[in-house]
Amino acid sequence: GENVEQHPSTLSVQEGDSAVIKCTYSDSASNYFPWYKQELGKRPQLIIDIRSNVGEKKDQRIAVTLNKTAKHFSLHITETQPEDSAVYFCAASNPQGGSEKLVFGKGTKLTVNP
Amino acid sequence: ETGVTQTPRHLVMGMTNKKSLKCEQHLGHNAMYWYKQSAKKPLELMFVYNFKEQTENNSVPSRFSPECPNSSHLFLHLHTLQPEDSALYLCASSQGGRGHEQYFGPGTRLTVT
Repeated sequence: GENVEQHPSTLSVQEGDSAVIKCTYSDSASNYFPWYKQELGKRPQLIIDIRSNVGEKKDQRIAVTLNKTAKHFSLHITETQPEDSAVYFCAASNPQGGSEKLVFGKGTKLTVNP
Repeated sequence: ETGVTQTPRHLVMGMTNKKSLKCEQHLGHNAMYWYKQSAKKPLELMFVYNFKEQTENNSVPSRFSPECPNSSHLFLHLHTLQPEDSALYLCASSQGGRGHEQYFGPGTRLTVT
């Protein structure tokens, strides 16, 4: 089955700096890659996603890149702010069968220091 | 309340107890999911339901028994749990099919004593 590796497990940056989180996946048939943000004590929420027919997607300070050949995708946050502090999860969707099966990475705890 | 709700928010149960977790979604979605989130593991998919039919059982022990009476409600029945089952149990829903955002509930924090 699909396996998703996520690095780093923790990341600390200064406010205003950029943050990059990287994920790799094993199943070349996976075609949907969402990123979720989970603030302390709260539920995970989707912040951006990308499909396999696109190489890059941006939404204000957040961007995701996908390299299908290398089977890796990355989250880029620019001009980080303290409210960006949270745990970020990447995921890959295994398209087998008729149901949505998301396989998540272990998460990256991002701390933005003021 | 809108979105995805879960009750109870916190639950402490002994290993011989039987309890149920409830999830309700108010988004008109067709698919619902149970996830387990523990301190040292990523979000683990447990069960998937599409249009009330179970389409995924991710090798979950039989002491966890899901029930989906309709597209808006999802239950997780618990019996004879082990201490290692202590975790945050998250429910999610989506429009169905593949490649749609999953909306998560607030979770039930379960402690098995």
